[in-house]
Amino acid sequence: AQTVTQSQPEMSVQEAETVTLSCTYDTSESNYYLFWYKQPPSRQMILVIRQEAYKQQNATENRFSVNFQKAAKSFSLKISDSQLGDTAMYFCACEKTSYDKVIFGPGTSLSVIP
Amino acid sequence: DTGVSQDPRHKITKRGQNVTFRCDPISEHNRLYWYRQTLGQGPEFLTYFQNEAQLEKSRLLSDRFSAERPKGSFSTLEIQRTEQGDSAMYLCASSPLTTGGFGYTFGSGTRLTVV
Repeated sequence: AQTVTQSQPEMSVQEAETVTLSCTYDTSESNYYLFWYKQPPSRQMILVIRQEAYKQQNATENRFSVNFQKAAKSFSLKISDSQLGDTAMYFCACEKTSYDKVIFGPGTSLSVIP
Repeated sequence: DTGVSQDPRHKITKRGQNVTFRCDPISEHNRLYWYRQTLGQGPEFLTYFQNEAQLEKSRLLSDRFSAERPKGSFSTLEIQRTEQGDSAMYLCASSPLTTGGFGYTFGSGTRLTVV
């Protein structure tokens, strides 16, 4: 079974600084997809970034980038130049390629401090 | 298209009552998912549909829960004889491809409070 672990329940960062959120996962699949989702307070969940496990190159989306370590089953999210609007719950998630169900981690609550 | 819509946004019900939630996915998305999220936790998978076929149900989905997606369009999630432990946010999501990997589009959720 797939599991996703996020060891940092809460984090904070100063505005304009960089922060890294950690995620580890466990899957028996050889190929899969990894995601980071953002859920702002009282707002819907949105996809931030995705990574295909068979691609070695780390994904980037503007200020968001990942550090994907397949052997270590680690998938961290780096947010550069943090903005107040980045304050949200961040969920790491994993999906098997042969089975379209996403498993989510418990989340990290990020606060950006002005 | 306005994205994934869920109705109602909030529902307060007395223990023992039945409730039904509706989800309208993005029209061209053939997969639809239901998740449950309790405060401070990540979403937990409940069930999903490919078109009108319900392909998987989580063991979290007791026999008091039933979901349908008639004609492969909108979906409903019904909870019978609600219990206080059913209080949660119920999230609906949809995705466009059968092979996966492109992530979901989520609705705003239905927050259920059982009193």
